[in-house]
Amino acid sequence: DGGITQSPKYLFRKEGQNVTLSCEQNLNHDAMYWYRQDPGQGLRLIYYSQIVNDFQKGDIAEGYSVSREKKESFPLTVTSAQKNPTAFYLCASSIGLAGDTQYFGPGTRLTVL
Amino acid sequence: AQSVTQPDIHITVSEGASLELRCNYSYGATPYLFWYVQSPGQGLQLLLKYFSGDTLVQGIKGFEAEFKRSQSSFNLRKPSVHWSDAAEYFCAVGAGGATNKLIFGTGTLLAVQP
Repeated sequence: DGGITQSPKYLFRKEGQNVTLSCEQNLNHDAMYWYRQDPGQGLRLIYYSQIVNDFQKGDIAEGYSVSREKKESFPLTVTSAQKNPTAFYLCASSIGLAGDTQYFGPGTRLTVL
Repeated sequence: AQSVTQPDIHITVSEGASLELRCNYSYGATPYLFWYVQSPGQGLQLLLKYFSGDTLVQGIKGFEAEFKRSQSSFNLRKPSVHWSDAAEYFCAVGAGGATNKLIFGTGTLLAVQP
């Protein structure tokens, strides 16, 4: 089945630790995205990548980093510099052209203790 | 800058009643508009989208939306709500330019009474 997988579904980390969230897609999509979701705030774009080896900051990139070494994979690292990392993180992908549908993964809930 | 407003944070309807969720956008040209649905703890699923042409768009699960340029609105409707429609609904607008960035509204949480 084609789709987007995110792992793990739940993640707990101690304050001050970096943590990496996985996102993999087998849809052959060029573009991938990371969003953060907080109650009452909708989805906010962290980073996006239009093509392999290239990515751009979104609206709330501070404290996060990404890489795009393979078309299928777009991991997100939440660093210790992120002041309030506890949130629900969603990965998405699309063909990449303006107006294309973005397809979402099931999300990872990160809790920093 | 592009923006999306969903004025209703929480709506409760009775099963079998009609539904309308409001969405207003700010965008200079003809926008790409989307409605997504999210069940608790899950990812988002596309309900429907508008690019151009017919202003009444049909989607999955019996939903439809109407693009009204004069009102900068893209309201989502369903004639008869089912208990399984209880979820959070997000309206989004394409950010424009060459990328496929989306700007999301803050969402409307729908509860369905038996």
